[in-house]
Amino acid sequence: GQQVMQIPQYQHVQEGEDFTTYCNSSTTLSNIQWYKQRPGGHPVFLIQLVKSGEVKKQKRLTFQFGEAKKNSSLHITATQTTDVGTYFCAGPNFGNEKLTFGTGTRLTIIP
Amino acid sequence: NAGVTQTPKFQVLKTGQSMTLQCAQDMNHEYMSWYRQDPGMGLRLIHYSVGAGITDQGEVPNGYNVSRSTTEDFPLRLLSAAPSQTSVYFCASSYYGGQYFGPGTRLTVT
Repeated sequence: GQQVMQIPQYQHVQEGEDFTTYCNSSTTLSNIQWYKQRPGGHPVFLIQLVKSGEVKKQKRLTFQFGEAKKNSSLHITATQTTDVGTYFCAGPNFGNEKLTFGTGTRLTIIP
Repeated sequence: NAGVTQTPKFQVLKTGQSMTLQCAQDMNHEYMSWYRQDPGMGLRLIHYSVGAGITDQGEVPNGYNVSRSTTEDFPLRLLSAAPSQTSVYFCASSYYGGQYFGPGTRLTVT
């Protein structure tokens, strides 16, 4: 079955440093979605990328979808304490509605 | 709009008991799904539905039943609770895009 892996599993950064998490799928994806989950909270949808090579920005967050539509990345510039949480990527297989979530990257910020 | 609501927030069951986790959404979304999240792990799909009357299995369906009689509601039934079903359960809905998650139900089976 489809597998979606993320690296790193954990990341500790000083406030103000940049952060990147990488997502890799074993199969080609029709789209890639990113979610953020604060400690004790529920996942919150951030963005969806659809096109090969697509890049989208949300303030300090930059999302990329790979040319082969099998990998993606999320980059946060100048992290803030509000960025703390676990970031998940998720993608459906072509032809069905099942969404497979990645293993997640937990970001902690050192003030 | 209330979005996606889930009840109860917390539940403790004894092994062998059955119960239903409720999920409702008021956004008229066709797609609804149930996930479980175990400590330090990602979300695993249990069951999903692409519309009223249509359900299908996800990655970890054993021990769970679902039905979708209306667009709004998507209850998850635990048939005979086992300690391995101790987890946080999230319901989500979407309309061809990102999913909106409910606040979750924290279930403990003793």
